[in-house]
Amino acid sequence: QKEVEQNSGPLSVPEGAIASLNCTYSDRVSQSFFWYRQYSGKSPELIMSIYSNGDKEDGRFTAQLNKASQYVSLLIRDSQPSDSATYLCAVNIGGGADGLTFGKGTHLIIQP
Amino acid sequence: NAGVTQTPKFQVLKTGQSMTLQCAQDMNHNSMYWYRQDPGMGLRLIYYSASEGTTDKGEVPNGYNVSRLNKREFSLRLESAAPSQTSVYFCASSPSTLAGRASQETQYFGPGTRLLVL
Repeated sequence: QKEVEQNSGPLSVPEGAIASLNCTYSDRVSQSFFWYRQYSGKSPELIMSIYSNGDKEDGRFTAQLNKASQYVSLLIRDSQPSDSATYLCAVNIGGGADGLTFGKGTHLIIQP
Repeated sequence: NAGVTQTPKFQVLKTGQSMTLQCAQDMNHNSMYWYRQDPGMGLRLIYYSASEGTTDKGEVPNGYNVSRLNKREFSLRLESAAPSQTSVYFCASSPSTLAGRASQETQYFGPGTRLLVL
C-alpha cells in the first residue's frame, strides 16, 4: 500500500523562527519528492522538489531527503505570517506517470 | 499562458443528476490527473491519463468516468451524483511520460471545482 504520512498539526511557530515539517513514505523505490503549499480555499502550489539524498535550498526553504530512512522534510527559515498554510508532502511512489501520493498535510500557523 | 483551467468553479447538484467537469492545460503536458480533496482525507487520485488516448483508474474511481479528449483536455463525468461525491475536485497536469525523468513528474494544479450534491 502506498503511504505518505504527515503530522496533521496544527504546528504553531513564532514569527521569525524556523518551521520544520516532516514526512515519511512507505516505498523504498520512490524517486521524486515534492512539497506543496495550500492556502485555505486555494489549490496546491509547488514549493520544492527534491530527487537526491541531502539538502536542497531555495530562498527561505530547505528540503531534506534521506532515502535510507524514507524521510523527507521541509524547513522554513525566518517564518512569516504569510507562510501560514497547509503543507502537503507528495511522493511519486514507484515512479512513472501514475500520479503522486499525497500526505494529508500539516497545518502550519505562524504567530506574529 | 493560463496553466491549468477548470470549469465550473462551483456547482450544486441534486442526487442522481449528471455533470461533467472540464479541465484544460496549455503547457503541452503529457499527463493529466483528477483528484478529489475532502476534509481530513487529503488529495486522492480519481483517474489519470499518462498520454493522449489512455486513461487509468486511481485510488477512488467508483462513480466517475473520464475522457482524454485531446492532449489539452481531460474531463471528469459524474453519471449519477451522490452526496458522497460532495468534494473539491482538482485537475493537474505534468510533463511526465512513462519512461520520463523524475524532474518531469512535478504536477501543476488548476483552481478547483467545488461540488455540492444535495
